Amino acid sequence: DAGITQSPRYKITETGRQVTLMCHQTWSHSYMFWYRQDLGHGLRLIYYSAAADITDKGEVPDGYVVSRSKTENFPLTLESATRSQTSVYFCASSERGNEQFFGPGTRLTVL
Amino acid sequence: KQEVTQIPAALSVPEGENLVLNCSFTDSAIYNLQWFRQDPGKGLTSLLLIQSSQREQTSGRLNASLDKSSGRSTLYIAASQPGDSATYLCAVNDYGQNFVFGPGTRLSVLP
Repeated sequence: DAGITQSPRYKITETGRQVTLMCHQTWSHSYMFWYRQDLGHGLRLIYYSAAADITDKGEVPDGYVVSRSKTENFPLTLESATRSQTSVYFCASSERGNEQFFGPGTRLTVL
Repeated sequence: KQEVTQIPAALSVPEGENLVLNCSFTDSAIYNLQWFRQDPGKGLTSLLLIQSSQREQTSGRLNASLDKSSGRSTLYIAASQPGDSATYLCAVNDYGQNFVFGPGTRLSVLP
């Protein structure tokens, strides 16, 4: 499918477990982003990547790890999930200076 | 640190009305500004992108303006329809591709 996809769409996990959220885009956009959306905080940038093997921190990077070995994939890993990481996670992509396009989101619950 | 606010937080109008949503930002050194809509439980859909050198952009019944010097953007929706009901978010992009989102305006268009 063309566009940007995220998997899984829903995930329930327990405190302390490692979780990886996947993001895949078919446009070959240079930039990819991870956001979390929470009531009362809106959308906040976790990490972004300007190209394969280039990543940088956003506003709320603590507790998250990213990698980008291929242009089209940008996985987000929670190394040891905490309840405060319960959120909706959105992946996005763009070319520099152009529109961002968002995936459908992953709803993560940490028990 | 860039801060983005949106007024009003919520708006309810009868079908057919023209309306204006406001977005304000504190740092005028922006690369571009993007407007999105978000339906409940869904991802973000891009509506309009305004580059820092532009004053406005139009798409169908939507018109977005940008006044960098005053730190403001407006989204004008003409002849509103019930299908326009959604949350509208603006996002400001600095030169480092750091997108900062506003909290959104929840719009309800009543039939």
